[in-house]
Amino acid sequence: GQQVMQIPQYQHVQEGEDFTTYCNSSTTLSNIQWYKQRPGGHPVFLIQLVKSGEVKKQKRLTFQFGEAKKNSSLHITATQTTDVGTYFCAPASRTSGTYKYIFGTGTRLKVLA
Amino acid sequence: DVKVTQSSRYLVKRTGEKVFLECVQDMDHENMFWYRQDPGLGLRLIYFSYDVKMKEKGDIPEGYSVSREKKERFSLILESASTNQTSMYLCASSLPAGGLDTQYFGPGTRLTVL
Repeated sequence: GQQVMQIPQYQHVQEGEDFTTYCNSSTTLSNIQWYKQRPGGHPVFLIQLVKSGEVKKQKRLTFQFGEAKKNSSLHITATQTTDVGTYFCAPASRTSGTYKYIFGTGTRLKVLA
Repeated sequence: DVKVTQSSRYLVKRTGEKVFLECVQDMDHENMFWYRQDPGLGLRLIYFSYDVKMKEKGDIPEGYSVSREKKERFSLILESASTNQTSMYLCASSLPAGGLDTQYFGPGTRLTVL
């Protein structure tokens, strides 16, 4: 079955430093979603990538889909304390006419002020 | 705003008890999902449903069953709770729209089985 590896598992950065998390799949993906979960909260949808090589930006967040559609990354520029949380990638798997998403293990980001 | 609610935030049960976790969404979403979240393992899909009375097994269905009698409600059932089912359970719903299935999550139920 599809396997999703997300690295690193943990990252501590000083406020203002950049941060990147990577998501790697064993199979070619149709699309991939990214979610953020604040401490004590539930996952919240950030973005979906569909096209090979696609790059999308949300303020300081840059999301990229690999050319071969087997990997993706999330880059945060100049981290802030509000960026603290766990970031999950979720590649799609189509079954029974609808999509289900296989969540990665997540990268927990801690930002030190 | 989409709202997904779960019946309890915290639940403590004993080994062997039958446990019901309820999830309700108010946006007429067709898809509903049950996940469990454990440290270091991310979110793992237990069951999902894409229509009333329809269900599909996820990656870890053993020890669980589900019920979807109404579109807005999706129940997760632990027939005989065991200590290894102690976990955070998250419900989500989505509206299929050409593949853009944003999932909206509930607040979660932290279940402890003693």
